[in-house]
Amino acid sequence: QKEVEQNSGPLSVPEGAIASLNCTYSDRGSQSFFWYRQYSGKSPELIMSIYSNGDKEDGRFTAQLNKASQYVSLLIRDSQPSDSATYLCAVDGGYNKLIFGAGTRLAVHP
Amino acid sequence: GAVVSQHPSWVICKSGTSVKIECRSLDFQATTMFWYRQFPKQSLMLMATSNEGSKATYEQGVEKDKFLINHASLTLSTLTVTSAHPEDSSFYICSLGGRTNTGELFFGEGSRLTVL
Repeated sequence: QKEVEQNSGPLSVPEGAIASLNCTYSDRGSQSFFWYRQYSGKSPELIMSIYSNGDKEDGRFTAQLNKASQYVSLLIRDSQPSDSATYLCAVDGGYNKLIFGAGTRLAVHP
Repeated sequence: GAVVSQHPSWVICKSGTSVKIECRSLDFQATTMFWYRQFPKQSLMLMATSNEGSKATYEQGVEKDKFLINHASLTLSTLTVTSAHPEDSSFYICSLGGRTNTGELFFGEGSRLTVL
């Protein structure tokens, strides 16, 4: 059974700080990794995708992948109250199926 | 604009009744769609893969006779929760079976089911 693990939080950070979200996965053969943001009662929306070891930056977001450690992280710089949401880590389980972690709830306070 | 339309967005029903949720692909012909379920404060769990013109493939632990999936056309998949019970109350989300080159899945807006 392929698994994706996340700390459920809540992770509370002050506005302007860096939020660090972490995720581990069990299937060493996984190749594609995603971070989704989900607001309460809404569908997930893609924040970042990452396929290679190392860092990938997009605006205030940086995804980090370490396949040897089976670890994916998401950094949010200059956190804003509007970033408050649940962040879901997802791993491609094959055939476009996504295996989601339970999500980390982020709260950015002014 | 929306790529996937899901309807209804929320529904309340009595225990023992059946509820149908529709998932429409607006811009693409979708031979495959996925149905996910999300309980409060939990992750999205894949329920089944809907295949156009053939039987759906269910994930382990999902009752195929309770969650009926029909994918009769390339733009429409339906999920029917039969004889719904309070424990079926959940957020049901569909997605198209294809991804963009950035890995984005097209999700529907989700359907909140509450069974009284």
